[in-house]
Amino acid sequence: KNEVEQSPQNLTAQEGEFITINCSYSVGISALHWLQQHPGGGIVSLFMLSSGKKKHGRLIATINIQEKHSSLHITASHPRDSAVYICAVRGGGSNYKLTFGKGTLLTVNP
Amino acid sequence: DVKVTQSSRYLVKRTGEKVFLECVQDMDHENMFWYRQDPGLGLRLIYFSYDVKMKEKGDIPEGYSVSREKKERFSLILESASTNQTSMYLCASSPGGSNSPLHFGNGTRLTVT
Repeated sequence: KNEVEQSPQNLTAQEGEFITINCSYSVGISALHWLQQHPGGGIVSLFMLSSGKKKHGRLIATINIQEKHSSLHITASHPRDSAVYICAVRGGGSNYKLTFGKGTLLTVNP
Repeated sequence: DVKVTQSSRYLVKRTGEKVFLECVQDMDHENMFWYRQDPGLGLRLIYFSYDVKMKEKGDIPEGYSVSREKKERFSLILESASTNQTSMYLCASSPGGSNSPLHFGNGTRLTVT
């Protein structure tokens, strides 16, 4: 069973700061997801990646398959980025199941 | 835009009641999932379905059953609700294939008293 660890658990930043959230997993995967959940809200898929790097607006996700590690970066952070960020991994083959990290609570203060 | 709709945002039920949580998606997705989310435990898969009438147990199926009679609808059933089933329940869907992005509903916060 894959173990997914996120760090930090909680992160407080000032508006404009560069944010990094980390995700490590223990077993090889076919894909890694980054998800965002606002307080009381549903979950939105930010990225799905299996190699390299993806960028969407101020968000960048990277993955290092050899190191079994992924990072989510937020540039020029804003209070509306305050949310829980969740990393999830999917094993190889036709396994539909995701293993989720426990999430990182990000608070961006104005 | 994909829409995954869960029938209730908040639900309060009594111990022993039979509870139905409904989920509908409008994008003809093959895969549908039910998760529960609890503080400190993250999201855990209860059941998933990869086709009509097809289902597989997830990590915590005990006390739950599911029904998928039509492609767009995936129902989670608590046969006899218990207080330890108080939780946030999230439905998700994805297109066929194991490496597809997930689309989540807004969740149902169920309280069993």
